[in-house]
Amino acid sequence: KNQVEQSPQSLIILEGKNCTLQCNYTVSPFSNLRWYKQDTGRGPVSLTIMTFSENTKSNGRYTATLDADTKQSSLHITASQLSDSASYICVVRNDYKLSFGAGTTVTVRA
Amino acid sequence: EAGVAQSPRYKIIEKRQSVAFWCNPISGHATLYWYQQILGQGPKLLIQFQNNGVVDDSQLPKDRFSAERLKGVDSTLKIQPAKLEDSAVYLCASSLDGQGVEKLFFGSGTQLSVL
Repeated sequence: KNQVEQSPQSLIILEGKNCTLQCNYTVSPFSNLRWYKQDTGRGPVSLTIMTFSENTKSNGRYTATLDADTKQSSLHITASQLSDSASYICVVRNDYKLSFGAGTTVTVRA
Repeated sequence: EAGVAQSPRYKIIEKRQSVAFWCNPISGHATLYWYQQILGQGPKLLIQFQNNGVVDDSQLPKDRFSAERLKGVDSTLKIQPAKLEDSAVYLCASSLDGQGVEKLFFGSGTQLSVL
């Protein structure tokens, strides 16, 4: 069983709307969690990192949250743009290993 | 700064043929990773190098896959012989030393189709 589960698997939203992606993990001990954005045909690019002591962090229109007690993270996209169409991958690190989620595919339609 | 370079971008081969992928990481990055990404899934680690030594190759199908990182810089990943299930995107990534809060920098990948 994968130690990092993401939901939903995919979603479609209208341009200008908001959406929230979920990441639940069982990785232990927890070191940090990163959200990556992967455009079609490209490699993933880091959006933000969450460490144990951080609850919320923003990067432009992207806001990540972390609840280390429940082992959950979310990525909120505000006022979506067509360029936000991509796969968003949650990656959790313990002391020595990275665990990847399967990703959430976001499609933004005009 | 130059990113992670990978080639070729696309490769189509028939099953049982061999194929090789090349990766040049960001200058100064000691850690290099090869990932296999099957459509609709997250990347799966094949092998991790620290300089020119192997840190983790536990998920590398060693009967058909091999990788090397000579001189601790660029790297090649080889598949011989290829199977249909090897069709995937092969991503190379690098980081400074693979520890702590470091992020990975990924190349654009090589899309392999095995017919």
